[in-house]
Amino acid sequence: DTAVSQTPKYLVTQMGNDKSIKCEQNLGHDTMYWYKQDSKKFLKIMFSYNNKELIINETVPNRFSPKSPDKAHLNLHINSLELGDSAVYFCASSLYLTVTEAFFGQGTRLTVV
Amino acid sequence: GIQVEQSPPDLILQEGANSTLRCNFSDSVNNLQWFHQNPWGQLINLFYIPSGTKQNGRLSATTVATERYSLLYISSSQTTDSGVYFCAGGNNDMRFGAGTRLTVKP
Repeated sequence: DTAVSQTPKYLVTQMGNDKSIKCEQNLGHDTMYWYKQDSKKFLKIMFSYNNKELIINETVPNRFSPKSPDKAHLNLHINSLELGDSAVYFCASSLYLTVTEAFFGQGTRLTVV
Repeated sequence: GIQVEQSPPDLILQEGANSTLRCNFSDSVNNLQWFHQNPWGQLINLFYIPSGTKQNGRLSATTVATERYSLLYISSSQTTDSGVYFCAGGNNDMRFGAGTRLTVKP
């Protein structure tokens, strides 16, 4: 009964491929996020969705496209993968857009070779 | 967007020592959290603390919202406390600081 779950946990792929990372939360939260953690451990927000509506798109390349089929799911699709996309991607959720605690998934380590 | 500054960037302690980690925000925030990222990469929620003081065992946190900073206190540190401590906050979003890397030596 994991609160925020991401799949897969590890993803190794070649440059130029297209891949997806799935995220699901069973907390009944309205808001979901994607973060990217680089090799220096810096966590940067990429997107946030509130009730399936895109709220934040933080100057992420167009190759990254989030999709929220319902408020419990926020998937991340990445086209034409590049070496620089290698990172750990975290999904998170919070009850509302403001003033509430956020909970994170276990992360997906993406390695592009 | 809001800038989050954490200090110190690195901290090495002997087991049993106490420490204080600080987080400054460039503007007022409605939400503020402290996380511990363990050596396996998991982000563990420590405190949700937009204002006031909270305690959980050997850890406590204080946020002075009017002065835009928060402090995390770790007392009687243990080797299992090692990892990276992040604060994060915002209004319609959550921005992270660069973290404090804590190493507790036995």
